[in-house]
Amino acid sequence: SDELTQPPSVSVSPGQTARITCSGDALPKKYAYWYQQKSGQAPVLVISEDSKRPSGIPERFSGSSSGTMATLTISGAQVEDEADYYCYSTDSSGDQRGVFGGGTKLTVL
Amino acid sequence: EVQLVESGGGLVQPGGSLRLSCVASGFTFRSYWMHWVRQAPGKGLVWVSRLDDYETSPIYADSVKGRFTISRDNAKKTLYLQMNSLRAEDTAVYYCARPLHDNSGYYLGYWGQGTLVTVSS
Repeated sequence: SDELTQPPSVSVSPGQTARITCSGDALPKKYAYWYQQKSGQAPVLVISEDSKRPSGIPERFSGSSSGTMATLTISGAQVEDEADYYCYSTDSSGDQRGVFGGGTKLTVL
Repeated sequence: EVQLVESGGGLVQPGGSLRLSCVASGFTFRSYWMHWVRQAPGKGLVWVSRLDDYETSPIYADSVKGRFTISRDNAKKTLYLQMNSLRAEDTAVYYCARPLHDNSGYYLGYWGQGTLVTVSS
């Protein structure tokens, strides 16, 4: 299956480490990208190519990928990190159509 | 600074048509593949369509194939999405997006602010 599966919600206290997983059969051969979307705003890229952090993204955001699972880690989560997070990759067809995970609501309180 | 500004959304009746535009600035538009992504109210992100830099290989999600057409005008630095035979389930905010690098066309880096399309009678 080319679906990407995320947990619907993750909750941590401020300063704790939040881990959001994304599982998909095609991930061993594809990159995972991660986006943060705050309420009423457009998505923002926080991790590219499994583990690269774009400029301007805080160091507490990191990514990793192993086998069929990619993980977004927020070390020392802050209240302002509360948002929906989506993983993204492409399907295994020749067209490589885009695929998003269902999204994970991160609560920091 | 990369900027993507969508327009053309609005209220349309079921079966109707609408054309969305996305004007790009701050980068060499003709060098990048471009994408459309949508988000229904209260729901997650859904990839809709992609177009390569030379407009040779438009790709669509199954849910819109045969009804939507993606195109671009590199001289005007504008991406389009022609939406026909619209259905209630097409109601969403539509975002255009650009890859982070010109050699990573399948993946999304920069996003516009979106334009809302409402399909209702």
